[in-house]
Amino acid sequence: KNEVEQSPQNLTAQEGEFITINCSYSVGISALHWLQQHPGGGIVSLFMLSSGKKKHGRLIATINIQEKHSSLHITASHPRDSAVYICAGSLSSGTYKYIFGTGTRLKVLA
Amino acid sequence: DADVTQTPRNRITKTGKRIMLECSQTKGHDRMYWYRQDPGLGLRLIYYSFDVKDINKGEISDGYSVSRQAQAKFSLSLESAIPNQTALYFCATSDFGAHTTLGPSYNEQFFGPGTRLTVL
Repeated sequence: KNEVEQSPQNLTAQEGEFITINCSYSVGISALHWLQQHPGGGIVSLFMLSSGKKKHGRLIATINIQEKHSSLHITASHPRDSAVYICAGSLSSGTYKYIFGTGTRLKVLA
Repeated sequence: DADVTQTPRNRITKTGKRIMLECSQTKGHDRMYWYRQDPGLGLRLIYYSFDVKDINKGEISDGYSVSRQAQAKFSLSLESAIPNQTALYFCATSDFGAHTTLGPSYNEQFFGPGTRLTVL
């Protein structure tokens, strides 16, 4: 079992739908980083959060430290949101290295 | 200009060849990392460096070596490439201890654009 699990692995949505991607972790982390990877390959930072909720445009990220769970929401989804979304936990001890989920592949249809 | 750059962006090579992937950053970060990404797997850490004199193996370092030539440059070498090293390689940097909104003791990493390596 991976220490960081994402669900779903694949998601297809119609344009305009509300989308939720989940990330659960079993290790101690100091913060969680949501990343976006477009088909071209580059990885872009979306949010890093250690508690509560953050919002940027149509994207919202939440984290519940006690439940070891984070969610990424996309409101009014658009085809340009099609990408792989990756969550990564920054370990809370020692080196603060990242441990990654395997990603959620999102396709938004027009 | 991008803060973290990688060269080359694409490379096709043959089994047994020596390959070097280069990473440069203008963010002034001390920490640098090399990862590989394979389909269906999360990013996996190959090597990391917390400063010029500190280099550490990650979870999958066999078959790879690194060089930290300066604070801004971190190179990954495949001494004798093999087909199962075909993957997407990412460099990342971080500035541990300083985060603009989260405060101290955070390690936000910033990624380069990736190098797609194919070993035939």
